[in-house]
Formats: sequence, C-alpha cells, structure tokens
Amino acid sequence: NAGVTQTPKFRILKIGQSMTLQCAQDMNHNYMYWYRQDPGMGLKLIYYSVGAGITDKGEVPNGYNVSRSTTEDFPLRLELAAPSQTSVYFCASSYDGVGSYEQYFGPGTRLTVT
Amino acid sequence: GIQVEQSPPDLILQEGANSTLRCNFSDSVNNLQWFHQNPWGQLINLFYIPSGTKQNGRLSATTVATERYSLLYISSSQTTDSGVYFCAVEPRGNTPLVFGKGTRLSVIA
Repeated sequence: NAGVTQTPKFRILKIGQSMTLQCAQDMNHNYMYWYRQDPGMGLKLIYYSVGAGITDKGEVPNGYNVSRSTTEDFPLRLELAAPSQTSVYFCASSYDGVGSYEQYFGPGTRLTVT
Repeated sequence: GIQVEQSPPDLILQEGANSTLRCNFSDSVNNLQWFHQNPWGQLINLFYIPSGTKQNGRLSATTVATERYSLLYISSSQTTDSGVYFCAVEPRGNTPLVFGKGTRLSVIA
C-alpha cells in the first residue's frame, strides 16, 4: 500500500491565483481530513469527510473548498490565494469514526503565496 | 473548545538520556494519539492510547483519562528521535482530533 499520497510536494502561488492540492489513499478508509500547519504550531483542521459525497467544515475552512466524489480521493481547492494561506498542508485518513481510529498522514504540501 | 497543552515546549537531550513529555487536556476525551514529526516534516503515528499504557521499543505512553493527562516516555534517546512530538485528542461528542502545539526535541550526540 502507498498509504496517503499528496501532490504536489511544493508550490509557489501568486496572490489571487487558484490551485488544487491532491490527496489520495489506498487503504479503503472512509474518513479523510485536511489540516494546515503554520510554523511552530500544531495542526488545524480545515475540512473533513466521513465518506464519498459528504464533507464538513473544520476549525479553519475559510478560503478553501473540498469535494469527495470517490472513497480514495479528497482534493482541497484554494480560490484567490492569500499570503495567510502560506502553510504546510497535510492530508490524513482513518478507517472509521471521527478520531476513533488512528489517523495516517500524507507527506504534506508546502505552499507559499507571495 | 477543549484545550490541549504540551510540556515542555522545547527539550534538548544528550544521546542516551531519558525524557518524559506531558500532554494535559481540559475535558474528557474519547481518544488520544501521539505523533512524531521528523525533521523532514513527516508525521508518524506513535501511539493510539485513549487509556492505559503501551510500549513500542524505547518508547512508551501512559494515559490517565480520569486525570486528563498523558505521558510519553523516551528512553536511551537517539539523534533520530529529534523532531516535534504532538499529542492529539478527540473530544467527547464525536468531533475531530484537536492537536497540541507540540514538544520540540533535539537529541545531540
């Protein structure tokens, strides 16, 4: 199993541009999550999904959108990028239950908005 | 919402030393996990430990849910243990994990 994969690894965006961060998992996990990690801080939840077609907001959803059309994929869309969105983005998945099972993380995407 | 506090924020150890990292949380939780973020940024699961004690090699963890804390023990530390250790809890009410700010560990040879 590849586990949780994320692309791209690095990206530089100009203010106002848009992009999609890709996340995929091959563990047949129902739950998937997007987090952001700012320098020296812990992780904050942006959005999560409990299954295909179902998404919900986390702590910091503003400026982001998600979709979950398949069990495997959970892309994160940034519209009109702002410097405040400079961060490292992690995707994660778990088999079932919001937090009730271990979460497994992807390698992260380092995004800089200038 | 629930508060998760980790201590110490920073720790420097000589290789071979032992250490204890602490995670306090302000309310009852369903679950608790410890993660290690290595210097390359990768997050690795260490323990899934809502209560009790678990051991994995030189690492062990204890959660006392009734007293709202968890401890991560690292024995005979190695330079590869360097990185940031995060505690994350799932509050009651089936909500997603809440992360602490982490303990940054540096092990020097």
